Amino acid sequence: GENVEQHPSTLSVQEGDSAVIKCTYSDSASNYFPWYKQELGKGPQLIIDIRSNVGEKKDQRIAVTLNKTAKHFSLHITETQPEDSAVYFCAATSGYSTLTFGKGTMLLVSP
Amino acid sequence: SQTIHQWPATLVQPVGSPLSLECTVEGTSNPNLYWYRQAAGRGLQLLFYSVGIGQISSEVPQNLSASRPQDRQFILSSKKLLLSDSGFYLCAWSVGGGSADTQYFGPGTRLTVL
Repeated sequence: GENVEQHPSTLSVQEGDSAVIKCTYSDSASNYFPWYKQELGKGPQLIIDIRSNVGEKKDQRIAVTLNKTAKHFSLHITETQPEDSAVYFCAATSGYSTLTFGKGTMLLVSP
Repeated sequence: SQTIHQWPATLVQPVGSPLSLECTVEGTSNPNLYWYRQAAGRGLQLLFYSVGIGQISSEVPQNLSASRPQDRQFILSSKKLLLSDSGFYLCAWSVGGGSADTQYFGPGTRLTVL
């Protein structure tokens, strides 16, 4: 089955800096890669996703890049703000109707 | 628009007691439905998923079970809770009928087993 590894587990940045979170996956058949943000005590919320037919996608301060050959994808957040502090999860398709999630990255943005 | 509800929001139960968590989705038909458990605020463990009424796939063998009595209702149950069942339980839905796609999560249920 699919295996998704996510790094780093914790990331601390100063407000205004950029943050990058990286994930690798094992199943070359995976074709959908979402990213979720989870605030304390809440359910994860989708922030951006990418499909295997594109290499990059941007939405304001957030971007995701995908390298299918190397089987890795990354989340980039620019001009970080304290409200970006949360746990971020990457995921990849893992068979019919299911996703495999990474273990999460706790992002701390200091004012 | 679609919305997903979970209840209760929090639950404290003694070891050995039964459990029933409910999830309902509004604004869509024939969704795929999922139950996840999250321990210690990190890591999403898929417990069950369903692609239709009466169809349940189990990912992790344990003392939990799931049922889908109606198209947009998903229930997580246990006959006897263990201490290790404590955690944050999340229900999610996705558009049905195709390959894996975006999953939308509910607000979660915090379960503490004492």
